[in-house]
Parts: sequence; structure tokens; C-alpha cells
Amino acid sequence: KAGVTQTPRYLIKTRGQQVTLSCSPISGHRSVSWYQQTPGQGLQFLFEYFSETQRNKGNFPGRFSGRQFSNSRSEMNVSTLELGDSALYLCASSLDSISYEQYFGPGTRLTVT
Amino acid sequence: QQQVKQSPQSLIVQKGGISIINCAYENTAFDYFPWYQQFPGKGPALLIAIRPDVSEKKEGRFTISFNKSAKQFSLHIMDSQPGDSATYFCAATTMLKTSYDKVIFGPGTSLSVIP
Repeated sequence: KAGVTQTPRYLIKTRGQQVTLSCSPISGHRSVSWYQQTPGQGLQFLFEYFSETQRNKGNFPGRFSGRQFSNSRSEMNVSTLELGDSALYLCASSLDSISYEQYFGPGTRLTVT
Repeated sequence: QQQVKQSPQSLIVQKGGISIINCAYENTAFDYFPWYQQFPGKGPALLIAIRPDVSEKKEGRFTISFNKSAKQFSLHIMDSQPGDSATYFCAATTMLKTSYDKVIFGPGTSLSVIP
């Protein structure tokens, strides 16, 4: 079974631009969560989607948004990029809304210049 | 109350030795405690996890010890190998019947196993 895939793997954007990252969960998994990983703040929860609905959201500004499609694929969008948004963005999938186990993708490395 | 503390920040262990990483939490509602292993350039991988109804769980060379009254849990890596060199994250979360709370991660421990 293929793992979680994220595209693109690397991205360089300019301050003020917007970016869209994509995540395809493991086949059959319906829950997708997004995390931001930085050396200073560690792993921080962004949001979680299940059945196309956002079920929980971390403490990030409204510039960070996401959505989930009917095939469970998910996208996250960051508008008006800031230098501090440079990070590794990780997507994790789990089987359903009550499954504890999360499986992470390799991440998208975003650099904002 | 949502924080998960983790120590040490970095750890150097000789090959064949025991690596021990400790974590502590405050929120008594947490009921699932996973450990993740992350290699450079990769996403975290679920290593082992424990529920608070057991005090210890062992999978191969990896053991989680859980102390509910002290709100602490630890990862022991027996017979540590150079291939175990990675960053380890402990985490905690709650899982109610109809809702899912966010996962809180510890800051991570960088483990180096030297030959």
C-alpha cells in the first residue's frame, strides 16, 4: 500500500505570495491532518479534516487554510506569505475519525524569501 | 496545560547501550501517547504508542514505560544501534467518541548512537 504523498517536495516563494500544498492520504484513510515543523517551534498542529469537514484547528492565523476533497485528498493554502512561514509542512493520514494512529508524509519544504 | 515536556534535548549513546528519553504532560484528559522517529529529510514515523491503562509496552528493542500518577512516560531503546540515530518525538492526544483533539508533540530529542 502506498504511503502518504505530498507535492511538491520543495518550494521557494516570495514574501506576499500565496502557496498551495497537496496531500494524498493512504488509500482508504479518510482523516488528514496538517502540521508545521520548524527548528524553533517544533511540530505544531495546523488543522484536521475528515469527510471534507474541518474538525479541529490549531493556533494559526487565518492566512492558513485547507480543504479536503471527496476522495480524501487534501490541500492547504497559505496566503500573503511571511518569512516566518518557512518550514516543513507535514501531512498525516489516519483511517477514520476515531483511529489513533497517524502516518506522516515526507513533507513539503517551503522557503519564503 | 496542553504542553508536553521532553528531555534530554540531545543524547549520545554508545552502540549497544540503552537510550532513555523522558516526557511529561499536564492534561489528565490525554489518553494516547505515541512516539515518533524522524530521520533527516523524512516525515515522522510512528514507532510505538501506549494507552494509560497499561504501565509498559514493549516492541522489539523499544519499550514505553508509563507512570499515570506522575504524568510521565519514557522511551527506552535497548541495544542501541547507529541506525537508531534520529530525532524522537513524544506526543499526547485525546480521542473522545465523537471528536478528535489535536496532537501535542514534545520538542524532540536528537539521538546519536556512536560505534
